[in-house]
Amino acid sequence: GESVGLHLPTLSVQEGDNSIINCAYSNSASDYFIWYKQESGKGPQFIIDIRSNMDKRQGQRVTVLLNKTVKHLSLQIAATQPGDSAVYFCASGGNEKLTFGTGTRLTIIP
Amino acid sequence: GAVVSQHPSWVICKSGTSVKIECRSLDFQATTMFWYRQFPKQSLMLMATSNEGSKATYEQGVEKDKFLINHASLTLSTLTVTSAHPEDSSFYICSAAGQGAQGYPNEQFFGPGTRLTVL
Repeated sequence: GESVGLHLPTLSVQEGDNSIINCAYSNSASDYFIWYKQESGKGPQFIIDIRSNMDKRQGQRVTVLLNKTVKHLSLQIAATQPGDSAVYFCASGGNEKLTFGTGTRLTIIP
Repeated sequence: GAVVSQHPSWVICKSGTSVKIECRSLDFQATTMFWYRQFPKQSLMLMATSNEGSKATYEQGVEKDKFLINHASLTLSTLTVTSAHPEDSSFYICSAAGQGAQGYPNEQFFGPGTRLTVL
C-alpha cells in the first residue's frame, strides 16, 4: 500500500529565516499532493497543493516542490513567523482518498 | 466557502458507553465524508469513507461494528463509537468533499476535530 513519510520529525527555525519541510511518498500513481498545517487541538488547515503535472507551485510565503523522479515533496516557508509554529503534514491522493505523512513539528524561535 | 463543523468539540465518557460525533458541511453538499483518527503526536489515519445514502467503506483493521458511520444526508455524517474503552480515546476528525465547495474536485475540507476521552 501507499505510504507517505517525512524525513524530519522536528524542525526549529529562527524567526525570519526560511524553513524547508520534506516528505517522501511511495505510490507513483499519486497525482495530487497537499500540505496541511495543524495547530494543537485543531483540524488540519490547507496550505497549498500541487498536481503531478507540475513541479513547483507558489503561494503566499509558501512554495511546494514536487520531484516525481524520486517521489519527493517539499514545503518551503519564507520569512517564518511565530504563527508558523505547528505540525505540518503532507498528504497524497490518486482518487478520493488521502494518505497522510507522519508530520513535522516546526518551531519558530523568536 | 467550504466549512465543516463537528460536534461536540470534546467529550468525556465512561468505559462501556457509546458516543456519537456529528460532522456537518455548512455551505455545500458533501457527497463523500471521511473519518480520521489521530493519536497524540501521530498522523491522521483514515478510518472510513462514507458516501451519502450508502454503507461506509472501512479501512483495514477498523471494526465496523464498533465505529458506526451514518451518512443519511448530504450535509451530515455521524460516527458512533460503541462500547467505548480507554484505548478509543483519540482525536477524531472528519472531512467532507462534494458539490458546491470551492477547490479541486473531490478536495477534502476538514472539520475542527473532536477530542474523545474514555475513562
